[in-house]
Amino acid sequence: EVQLVESGGGLVQPGGSLKLSCAASGFTFSGSGMHWVRQASGKGLEWVGRITSKASSYATAYAASVKGRFTISRDDSNNTAYLQMNSLKTEDTAVYYCTTGGYNYGYSFDYWGQGTLLTVSS
Amino acid sequence: QSALTQPASVSGSPGQSITISCTGTSSDVGGYNYVSWYQQHPGKAPKLLIYDVTNRPSGVSYRVSGSKSGNTASLTISGLQAADEADYYCSSYTTSSTRVFGGGTKLTVL
Repeated sequence: EVQLVESGGGLVQPGGSLKLSCAASGFTFSGSGMHWVRQASGKGLEWVGRITSKASSYATAYAASVKGRFTISRDDSNNTAYLQMNSLKTEDTAVYYCTTGGYNYGYSFDYWGQGTLLTVSS
Repeated sequence: QSALTQPASVSGSPGQSITISCTGTSSDVGGYNYVSWYQQHPGKAPKLLIYDVTNRPSGVSYRVSGSKSGNTASLTISGLQAADEADYYCSSYTTSSTRVFGGGTKLTVL
């Protein structure tokens, strides 16, 4: 069974930094692209960014709203993806989900974690 | 990259069919057959319903189907059930190798 477990959320002051983790199990993590998607309270889903597998050179891409502030990385030896968030703004407050990038199902977000809450507030 | 356009809400009675539209541009929905749809119940993570415009993952009901014409994709749910009441989101691959979501549609089963 595919499992994704996010951790690392919490309360951070504006301008601060935080690193989220996504621990994966139940599938060949090294063979899957990984995405981060966020959702502010009562709002819709927003794609944050992705990192491809080693086969695609660990390429990253980001939404314009986070580019230059957020960095996605991965550790295939520990089956974990990361989202490093710097220069945080109040508008970054959201539940952050990690998802697989079409591991079994085309160009989709086929498996999701339960999410971790980031609150940016003074 | 602007969000894809979905109706804010749709409704239907049990047993009826509903269709949710998702309108983008030639840079996303119209340019690729890489539209996917997600169902989200309150307080839960989204669940994949449709991938690559028309395909259902294993375990998703046959009552759910997807299609696309030009820059607009559609999700149809037939034989509406109370459990279908949820928020629905479309997503597309884009020319920038990024992804974009629609604003979401709240489905109410009357």
